[in-house]
Amino acid sequence: GAGVSQSPSNKVTEKGKDVELRCDPISGHTALYWYRQSLGQGLEFLIYFQGNSAPDKSGLPSDRFSAERTGGSVSTLTIQRTQQEDSAVYLCASSSRRGGGLANPGGYNEQFFGPGTRLTVL
Amino acid sequence: ELKVEQNPLFLSMQEEKNYTIYCNYSTTSDRLYWYRQDPGKSLESLFVLLSNGAVKQEGRLMASLDTKARLSTLHITAAVHDLSATYFCAVKGAYGGATNKLIFGTGTLLAVQP
Repeated sequence: GAGVSQSPSNKVTEKGKDVELRCDPISGHTALYWYRQSLGQGLEFLIYFQGNSAPDKSGLPSDRFSAERTGGSVSTLTIQRTQQEDSAVYLCASSSRRGGGLANPGGYNEQFFGPGTRLTVL
Repeated sequence: ELKVEQNPLFLSMQEEKNYTIYCNYSTTSDRLYWYRQDPGKSLESLFVLLSNGAVKQEGRLMASLDTKARLSTLHITAAVHDLSATYFCAVKGAYGGATNKLIFGTGTLLAVQP
């Protein structure tokens, strides 16, 4: 079956413009994650969606960043008033089960990653 | 706060020799992942380690987990060129919000020299 898809694969924008990045998770996966990969910061968690629960936004670096997940499937990450430090590869991942943790053993949820969107802010 | 340290950052390997990458993490975790990333590509899942003493092997790669020491190792046996890539370990927290995300190590760039 199809894996996680992301679009666009590359985006070049000017400082101050808004951008939208799209993620289409694996069909049936209830959990969706956004990560950012940059030279200076490595791989960082941004936001997590699980079903209809309130998203975990704890990784968003500023209020210029927001994300939505419509109908429990496709997600859009929006960056407003882009800055040069936003340049990075934005990776989306999805998984089939929730959480896990010692309080929820067996919540096995391997994350499958999409190809990423390379964002360059000039 | 869960932190993950990976070393070395760079590993220049000779073909047919053995090497190990180390991944240490700071707080309790209930699972650990190893991923491979080729240049310009996304992350490919290699192993998921779920319990203390877990060992998984695929080809020339073997991963193990010691939850008491909070340490995972990725062992490469008889390196070959097609193993050249960046390898990441990632840890999932065991409690609360830490269960919602992966915390990644810095990555280890492997380059196999002929």
